[in-house]
Amino acid sequence: GQQVQQSPASLVLQEGENAELQCNFSTSLNSMQWFYQRPGGSLVSLFYNPSGTKHSGRLTSTTVIKERRSSLHISSSQTTDSGTYLCALAYLPGTGSNRLTFGKGTKFSLIP
Amino acid sequence: DMKVTQMPRYLIKRMGENVLLECGQDMSHETMYWYRQDPGLGLQLIYISYDVDSNSEGDIPKGYRVSRKKREHFSLILDSAKTNQTSVYFCASSLSQENQAPLFGEGTRLSVL
Repeated sequence: GQQVQQSPASLVLQEGENAELQCNFSTSLNSMQWFYQRPGGSLVSLFYNPSGTKHSGRLTSTTVIKERRSSLHISSSQTTDSGTYLCALAYLPGTGSNRLTFGKGTKFSLIP
Repeated sequence: DMKVTQMPRYLIKRMGENVLLECGQDMSHETMYWYRQDPGLGLQLIYISYDVDSNSEGDIPKGYRVSRKKREHFSLILDSAKTNQTSVYFCASSLSQENQAPLFGEGTRLSVL
């Protein structure tokens, strides 16, 4: 089956530092998506990024298909960035649906 | 206001009881999903529905069934719940396009004792 590996499993940084989260996948992808989950909360879509680099505020997502990896960069991290970041790979191309396989997530914590 | 609503938010049941989890969306999204999330396992797809009465098994359908009689409602049913079905269940919906990120509900925390 499809494999999605996220690293690190957890990350603790001081406020203001930059964070780099990685997602590696074992097969060709249809799309790569990044989500943020607040502790005990729902998931919020951050990026749909099948290839290349996308920016949103302090967040940058880069997907390199031939290397089967995607990264999420958080610059000047703030305490409000704490939570779990999940990447998800869409497979079954051509079905017209977003059937996602999720990684296990990176739990991100900030020290004030 | 685009929203996926799950009911109830918290539920405690005894082993062997039937469980009904409800999900609604007001965006006329064709596709709806049920996931469960467990520590160490991440989110796993239980069922996906492409429209009314058009449902497909996900990666872990055993022990579950679903019902979609209206586009805006998608129900997850556990007949005779088991303790290993204790989990947080998330419903999501999306347009039927491959570049559309699903919109998730707040989750239902189910405990089966």
